[in-house]
Amino acid sequence: DQQVKQNSPSLSVQEGRISILNCDYTNSMFDYFLWYKKYPAEGPTFLISISSIKDKNEDGRFTVFLNKSAKHLSLHIVPSQPGDSAVYFCAASVGQAGTALIFGKGTTLSVSS
Amino acid sequence: SQTIHQWPATLVQPVGSPLSLECTVEGTSNPNLYWYRQAAGRGLQLLFYSVGIGQISSEVPQNLSASRPQDRQFILSSKKLLLSDSGFYLCAWSSGKKLNQPQHFGDGTRLSIL
Repeated sequence: DQQVKQNSPSLSVQEGRISILNCDYTNSMFDYFLWYKKYPAEGPTFLISISSIKDKNEDGRFTVFLNKSAKHLSLHIVPSQPGDSAVYFCAASVGQAGTALIFGKGTTLSVSS
Repeated sequence: SQTIHQWPATLVQPVGSPLSLECTVEGTSNPNLYWYRQAAGRGLQLLFYSVGIGQISSEVPQNLSASRPQDRQFILSSKKLLLSDSGFYLCAWSSGKKLNQPQHFGDGTRLSIL
């Protein structure tokens, strides 16, 4: 049973436009959510996170939105750049030390120039 | 700044052979350490985590074991590899001092069992 779901395996966006990546979760105990970016043959790189006490967190071109009632979060990238092309993973955890991150299966973002 | 190193990057091993993957972290002390595996077509799954030297917690029963002989060293081992052990193995660390801290990953080891 997938606790974290990324229902879109891929997304194509033009350079300069907004990229919106979506993620749904089922476990109401999750209280910490993260987005990672992964290039081929590399480990995931941490992008941005949000705790359940917030509904928005912004870092430069990246903004994460959390809708707890819908158990949904999204990552907005504005403006999108070709270098953003990668696989994006949503992850969630109960925020205790040593707790596993539960990952979605990822969305491949392609930004064309 | 903190860095995490994993080696080797790729490994091809025969069924029944032993395994030792090493991970070290620099630039931090008392980190939480993790081993994840990504099997083909599946998401990342936590295998082991450690909150201190000699302290290992296993998340799933399997053919693998982990050890933490030093504060910033985490080792993944097997005495006899199975075909099902093939996959992409990732080590990660997070700050052990606070809650809600991101985990930071190494570049992984691609393990193929023949």
